[in-house]
Amino acid sequence: AQSVAQPEDQVNVAEGNPLTVKCTYSVSGNPYLFWYVQYPNRGLQFLLKYITGDNLVKGSYGFEAEFNKSQTSFHLKKPSALVSDSALYFCAVRDIPNDYKLSFGAGTTVTVRA
Amino acid sequence: AAGVIQSPRHLIKEKRETATLKCYPIPRHDTVYWYQQGPGQDPQFLISFYEKMQSDKGSIPDRFSAQQFSDYHSELNMSSLELGDSALYFCASSPRDRSYEQYFGPGTRLTVT
Repeated sequence: AQSVAQPEDQVNVAEGNPLTVKCTYSVSGNPYLFWYVQYPNRGLQFLLKYITGDNLVKGSYGFEAEFNKSQTSFHLKKPSALVSDSALYFCAVRDIPNDYKLSFGAGTTVTVRA
Repeated sequence: AAGVIQSPRHLIKEKRETATLKCYPIPRHDTVYWYQQGPGQDPQFLISFYEKMQSDKGSIPDRFSAQQFSDYHSELNMSSLELGDSALYFCASSPRDRSYEQYFGPGTRLTVT
């Protein structure tokens, strides 16, 4: 079975500082990994994905994530956070080729203070 | 670019009533997924369809049923509604040959009173 863990319920950073949101995964095969962001009362917006290739993936709004197979991690990063990055972030995994559905982590609330 | 359309966006029902949620996938997407996100929770997979056939099933209650039609839109039918069914229901679609790309709709917020 596939699963995702986001060990931090909340992350607080000052604007302009680096932002990291942690994610670890568990799959039986090779993972497809995703990050989504959700603003209050809104749907899920896709940020980035890792399918294969370079371990460093660049996505929307200046976000990037690094796939680390040995540590089974896929942490989301942004070098300089903005107040507008304050939102709920979900890591998700698909276990290929066994599954097509996404399994989400519990989410991490990011608050960027001015 | 066209996105996934869900209707209605908001729905208020009473206990024991029924509700139907609709999802219109992105054109040329043949796979539809339904997820349920309870208050303060992560989205949970309910069910998916590929080419009008159920392709996977998650934690969907027996009171719920779903189908995908010939135009690829999907409907989630919910009967005997309970207070615990209050949630945000997302639909996502993807093309089968790039099924890792799931595009989410804005969701339908169902409130059961």
